[in-house]
Parts: sequence; C-alpha cells; structure tokens
Amino acid sequence: GESVGLHLPTLSVQEGDNSIINCAYSNSASDYFIWYKQESGKGPQFIIDIRSNMDKRQGQRVTVLLNKTVKHLSLQIAATQPGDSAVYFCAENINGGSQGNLIFGKGTKLSVKP
Amino acid sequence: DGGITQSPKYLFRKEGQNVTLSCEQNLNHDAMYWYRQDPGQGLRLIYYSQIVNDFQKGDIAEGYSVSREKKESFPLTVTSAQKNPTAFYLCASSPRGLAGVVKDIQYFGAGTRLSVL
Repeated sequence: GESVGLHLPTLSVQEGDNSIINCAYSNSASDYFIWYKQESGKGPQFIIDIRSNMDKRQGQRVTVLLNKTVKHLSLQIAATQPGDSAVYFCAENINGGSQGNLIFGKGTKLSVKP
Repeated sequence: DGGITQSPKYLFRKEGQNVTLSCEQNLNHDAMYWYRQDPGQGLRLIYYSQIVNDFQKGDIAEGYSVSREKKESFPLTVTSAQKNPTAFYLCASSPRGLAGVVKDIQYFGAGTRLSVL
C-alpha cells in the first residue's frame, strides 16, 4: 500500500533496542491521550491510552509517559522488533469536549533494522 | 468477526463524479467518524455522528456529505465540489455518544484510498 509516512520525522533503531517516540500536544486542557500505530496502507491500531490524572501507564512492551508541565507525551517500546516498524502518532482529547473528538499529531515513522 | 469494515479498498473518481465510501461497524458503537489522511499529515476530521439521524461537520467538511440512517452504517460521499479528493479515507467508531462525554478509544477501519482519474 502507499506509504502514509512521507515527510514524517523518522526514528531508526536496531532490533532489540528500546525505542522512544515523542509527541508534543497542543492544549493544556487536554485530559486524555492515545497512542496509535499505523502500518503502511492500513488503518490506525490502538496501542495504549492515558488520562491526565496519571503520569505513567504500562502495557505489554509499551509504556506511555505524560508530562503535563511541558505538554509532552512519550511512547517507549521495549525490545523493538521488526513488526514494530510503522508510523506512530498520538491523539489528544480536550477536556470538556462533548463529542469525543480527537486531535491527531502528524506521526513519527519507526524503522527497525534487523 | 467484530469490527469496522470499509469498502472499497481502492476507488477511482472521474471529474465531476460523486463517489460514496462505505463504512459499516458491528461493534454496537454509538459514535462514528470520517477522517482524511494526506501524506505527512495527521488525520483531519471530515464529519462525525454521535447518534442515528444526527451528524456534525468536522474541520474539513466542504465537498463531502454523510448520512446516518442506521447505527451500523455511516457512508461518506465525496462530491464533485471536492476539488482535491485524492487521499486515504479512514472511518472510526467509539462506544459512547450523546448523554455523556465521549472520551473513548476510536477504532479504525482499514481505509479507502481514493484517486482521481
């Protein structure tokens, strides 16, 4: 499928290393955040979410860190595998928004070298 | 299998033609969304619907139309008024609509790639 990763920031890591993908969000009123993974030609897949009353949440091989002071979100992937190669983007939901609308970042392309 | 089904996977539009992209979900979700994705850009919201027979414009609704006659279905029509329709279109759904703040995960379909002939 056609790449959705053109002109995106790219992170290249060696298989087995840890990856850290960063996201700066826009609104200090945002209170819910999601990380998605999108493989080429496919729809985004949910990875992990975090609410603003937390600063860290762990899943399987992934950890999300939230720093509300500097409006920064990061996704850490442990022991990165070739199957992790994709575009990763964060999404934020602004407190008080009644529609559940998410604001999406542009994404970071992760390339895993075998 | 439960999920969101978009069809077709690829679609070609001739100049002046309206085309309709299908989105069906069997997740019993209240809210459904249409996004447009262009290379190097984040997802941009076209339309969303929180309940049957109701929908709202998103950030880039011009040149598009939708309907929500059934909970399961949220088709998107790309009209001839949309002068730059070439993009990857994504449909999503989430489980809560009106009568509560929707802050749930949005689940996406596999997308439809629309090109102009």
